[in-house]
Amino acid sequence: QSVLTQPPSVTGAPGQGVTISCTGSRSDIGAGNDVQWYQQLPGTVPKLLILANRHRPSGVPDRFSGSKSGASASLAITGLQAEDEADYYCQSYDSTLHNVVFGGGTKLTVL
Amino acid sequence: QVQLVESGGGLVKPGGSLRLSCAASGFSFSDYYMSWIRQAPGKGLEWISYISSTSSTLYYTDSVKGRFTISRDNAKNSLSLQMNSLRAEDTAVYYCARHTSGSTWYTFDYWGQGALVTVSS
Repeated sequence: QSVLTQPPSVTGAPGQGVTISCTGSRSDIGAGNDVQWYQQLPGTVPKLLILANRHRPSGVPDRFSGSKSGASASLAITGLQAEDEADYYCQSYDSTLHNVVFGGGTKLTVL
Repeated sequence: QVQLVESGGGLVKPGGSLRLSCAASGFSFSDYYMSWIRQAPGKGLEWISYISSTSSTLYYTDSVKGRFTISRDNAKNSLSLQMNSLRAEDTAVYYCARHTSGSTWYTFDYWGQGALVTVSS
């Protein structure tokens, strides 16, 4: 069971938008630790998509945006494209256990 | 460019041992924290362990404490994971990953291609 809670799956139509939630606790996201998001395309290595809650690394389209509030975070994807089909993982840090923590992952299907 | 290349994966019997290595290049290895992260077949990502740049700080997830040991050799730009008392549930692709520097140091900006470890009799 993952420390951070994500919906197992989300679905959206091309051109539409989806939001993926990530819920933590007082010892991780709620402790003020930042949230990162990773995209894992089928058969590939995870890629950093969002860091420090809302910042996009160079090369990540602005269709991807992140936000954080309290002990939760969200990843929003607008203008869905077929190539966005992937697994998305949120990640943070547990200050009490000194452990890095991941969400269970959300599979995005673009219909 | 930053490269992380894992080696040492393979098939091992339950209770056996295996040592994974990660060769780093393209950056100043001694300046960065490093982690091992695994992904069981069809499952999500699970952080295993991290080591500070000078090896002074090490942490492990509970499921591997006492069985796995992370280490690094900054002179050889190498990260290792010694895995003992392996169990079927340790079967996974094991990634080495570089931490970013700065306040959000627990972010992973580069990942290796992964090494498959299969624990089975």
